Amino acid sequence: SAVISQKPSRDICQRGTSLTIQCQVDSQVTMMFWYRQQPGQSLTLIATANQGSEATYESGFVIDKFPISRPNLTFSTLTVSNMSPEDSSIYLCSVLYSGSSYNEQFFGPGTRLTVL
Amino acid sequence: LAKTTQPISMDSYEGQEVNITCSHNNIATNDYITWYQQFPSQGPRFIIQGYKTKVTNEVASLFIPADRKSSTLSLPRVSLSDTAVYYCLVGDRRTGGFKTIFGAGTRLFVKA
Repeated sequence: SAVISQKPSRDICQRGTSLTIQCQVDSQVTMMFWYRQQPGQSLTLIATANQGSEATYESGFVIDKFPISRPNLTFSTLTVSNMSPEDSSIYLCSVLYSGSSYNEQFFGPGTRLTVL
Repeated sequence: LAKTTQPISMDSYEGQEVNITCSHNNIATNDYITWYQQFPSQGPRFIIQGYKTKVTNEVASLFIPADRKSSTLSLPRVSLSDTAVYYCLVGDRRTGGFKTIFGAGTRLFVKA
């Protein structure tokens, strides 16, 4: 299993600024994911971040807007750049645990971002 | 990636068995079926995963017919605390190509 913490838990930011969200895992993991979830909606995958390689972004998400760092096997950051009110959402970090009989993703508590 | 279709919402009463069915007509040979549960203000939590037939753990059972085009999550004797959103996902569980895409989910309301 994995325990994931995120910082900050919530923030209120001004339009045009940037916010970096940190994700810390209590064990070494290869695959990490960043998701966005609008209130009352499902999760949308932003990118997959593997240590030692560039993040892979999903359609509709670009590196200039959501740069990701993955310096080691227990840590990652997601930056939301040049924010607008449309970026207001919950951002979740997730890691993949591969067991012998199943794959399971563990999720952090999320970072609630409000852009004014 | 195979698309999934679930009911938007379901209601139940405490003590009842709840069955949530998910359709995934385009499931691929290497795809597994996974269910997650999400409470408000929390990240999703893994419930169960299976490939075919039946899988059971301490929380739920997962029934998968032979054609694998659908699956049913069964929650025995639900309680008020089982009120949550339940997501059905299909994906290739091979580590190198695994990617979890969430569908709309099913909102389960358990009433007293």
